[in-house]
Amino acid sequence: KAGVTQTPRYLIKTRGQQVTLSCSPISGHRSVSWYQQTPGQGLQFLFEYFSETQRNKGNFPGRFSGRQFSNSRSEMNVSTLELGDSALYLCASRSAGETQYFGPGTRLLVL
Amino acid sequence: AQTVTQSQPEMSVQEAETVTLSCTYDTSESNYYLFWYKQPPSRQMILVIRQEAYKQQNATENRFSVNFQKAAKSFSLKISDSQLGDTAMYFCAFMIAGTASKLTFGTGTRLQVTL
Repeated sequence: KAGVTQTPRYLIKTRGQQVTLSCSPISGHRSVSWYQQTPGQGLQFLFEYFSETQRNKGNFPGRFSGRQFSNSRSEMNVSTLELGDSALYLCASRSAGETQYFGPGTRLLVL
Repeated sequence: AQTVTQSQPEMSVQEAETVTLSCTYDTSESNYYLFWYKQPPSRQMILVIRQEAYKQQNATENRFSVNFQKAAKSFSLKISDSQLGDTAMYFCAFMIAGTASKLTFGTGTRLQVTL
């Protein structure tokens, strides 16, 4: 089975812009979670989607949003980018079990 | 709220030697899972090993094993016969059992395997 894929792998944006990141889970996995990794804050949970519904959300401002499509692919959107949004964004998928499998991440740089 | 603490920011071990990474956690939950993930320079997060809290037997995966002490809320990772490819950041993570749950990560331990 192919692993979790994320696109794009690298992204450079300027403050005030918005960005959309994409994640394709492992085939058959219906749950997709997003995490932000920064040197200062470490790994933080953003949100989880299951069957097109958000069922868990971390402590992030409303500028961070996501959605999931019927094929389980997920996108996350960040509007009005700030310098502090520069991070590695990791997507993880899981099936009915508890183990989350991660993609390679999208590295976002906000200038 | 759950917390995960990794008190060793950096460790070094020689090739073929054994090293133990420490992790403690705090929770009032009784049913949960613990994980060790490895993040090499590529930044890909790779599952190393997992432990179900209801299982008393410590998990093992080839050269990797854990020492799970539920009462002490301790979950250490032992790497035997260390290899250069084990060089990476290692994250301990906690997740409450259930359908809508999230991973809570520690701050990580940077492991360097040397010749």
